[in-house]
Amino acid sequence: DAGVIQSPRHEVTEMGQEVTLRCKPISGHDYLFWYRQTMMRGLELLIYFNNNVPIDDSGMPEDRFSAKMPNASFSTLKIQPSEPRDSAVYFCASSPGQGRNQPQHFGDGTRLSIL
Amino acid sequence: AQSVAQPEDQVNVAEGNPLTVKCTYSVSGNPYLFWYVQYPNRGLQFLLKYITGDNLVKGSYGFEAEFNKSQTSFHLKKPSALVSDSALYFCAVSADNYGQNFVFGPGTRLSVLP
Repeated sequence: DAGVIQSPRHEVTEMGQEVTLRCKPISGHDYLFWYRQTMMRGLELLIYFNNNVPIDDSGMPEDRFSAKMPNASFSTLKIQPSEPRDSAVYFCASSPGQGRNQPQHFGDGTRLSIL
Repeated sequence: AQSVAQPEDQVNVAEGNPLTVKCTYSVSGNPYLFWYVQYPNRGLQFLLKYITGDNLVKGSYGFEAEFNKSQTSFHLKKPSALVSDSALYFCAVSADNYGQNFVFGPGTRLSVLP
């Protein structure tokens, strides 16, 4: 079990640039979640997918944020244009679909710094 | 709506002493409760969960948690703390009518002093 894989681990870019974060969930997991973690706001759910379909995107802060899951093994979170207040650690997590309330498995995150 | 409170931002305990990290929750319906641990520069790692059954749940690394329905609490415990237990701990709750989504608490930083 390779775990949830996120790339890049660190990203530093200038304000206004497009940022793309990537996630490979655990094989066989039906649910995929994107979170943002900051000191001020803690861990926030941005969006989650079930079988590649977005189920709840109410946590996406603005239209500058978008997420896609083109297939069961890949998802992206894109910020365009990026702003300094987007600086945070972004986590992807996945969980199996069978049975309710299985634990979510987290990747090690992408630390994003917008200058 | 579901919510989770972790009333202590920081817990300090001496190595070898018992530790408790507190969590209270509010849900409509039957709660499903989880504890996660986060080490520096890492993602959250699952420790244990309560779904139904015994109120005392045992998990990884010697941790356990006690579900108390009347007090709506799910406190994390360990009989003898290790310095390596120092980390950020998150309580999370879900419920029958909340799908696969969790609500996470704000986290409690545990420091185990040698």
